[in-house]
Amino acid sequence: AQSVTQLGSHVSVSEGALVLLRCNYSSSVPPYLFWYVQYPNQGLQLLLKYTSAATLVKGINGFEAEFKKSETSFHLTKPSAHMSDAAEYFCAFTGFQKLVFGTGTRLLVSP
Amino acid sequence: EAQVTQNPRYLITVTGKKLTVTCSQNMNHEYMSWYRQDPGLGLRQIYYSMNVEVTDKGDVPEGYKVSRKEKRNFPLILESPSPNQTSLYFCASSRTVGTGGQETQYFGPGTRLLVL
Repeated sequence: AQSVTQLGSHVSVSEGALVLLRCNYSSSVPPYLFWYVQYPNQGLQLLLKYTSAATLVKGINGFEAEFKKSETSFHLTKPSAHMSDAAEYFCAFTGFQKLVFGTGTRLLVSP
Repeated sequence: EAQVTQNPRYLITVTGKKLTVTCSQNMNHEYMSWYRQDPGLGLRQIYYSMNVEVTDKGDVPEGYKVSRKEKRNFPLILESPSPNQTSLYFCASSRTVGTGGQETQYFGPGTRLLVL
């Protein structure tokens, strides 16, 4: 079955530290993969997406993700966390007629 | 400004009282979808529409109805709301989506519903 797994419902980092949010997928066909961010009391906003053009994808706000087929992963990273990065992050891929979402990872950033 | 709008943003109602949450997009998108977001479960699709007069069930359609009479609008109807439908609801749209689709979905700001 096609699915997305996000490891860790909460991730805590200090301001300036590396951000790593993990996402693994299961798909029988080459997937299109997305990372969305949800700030408090807002809708979801696209951070970046993988569409097979390049395995390293750069998104907004300094985030990037690398598609690794051998590991079936699409982890999200940012070299240096900022307080404004505190939000919930969702990994997703395009299934049949819909986006299939992971359960989300809440990123907490401390001063 | 390209956007997806939802109304109302917040709603408190009682069991059994019919309600409608409206969704409208101004991007001429063919595809529209409704999701509900619950803690620990992520977003789950309720219904979707590939185009006008074309709708289909998502993963959790029970207790909901939709219609797509115009391209820009996709209302979500709860004929007889129950407490287990207390949730955060999102409408989304994209140009198209299908198997392997790469189109970005644009989300509305959400509607927080409490059913007493």
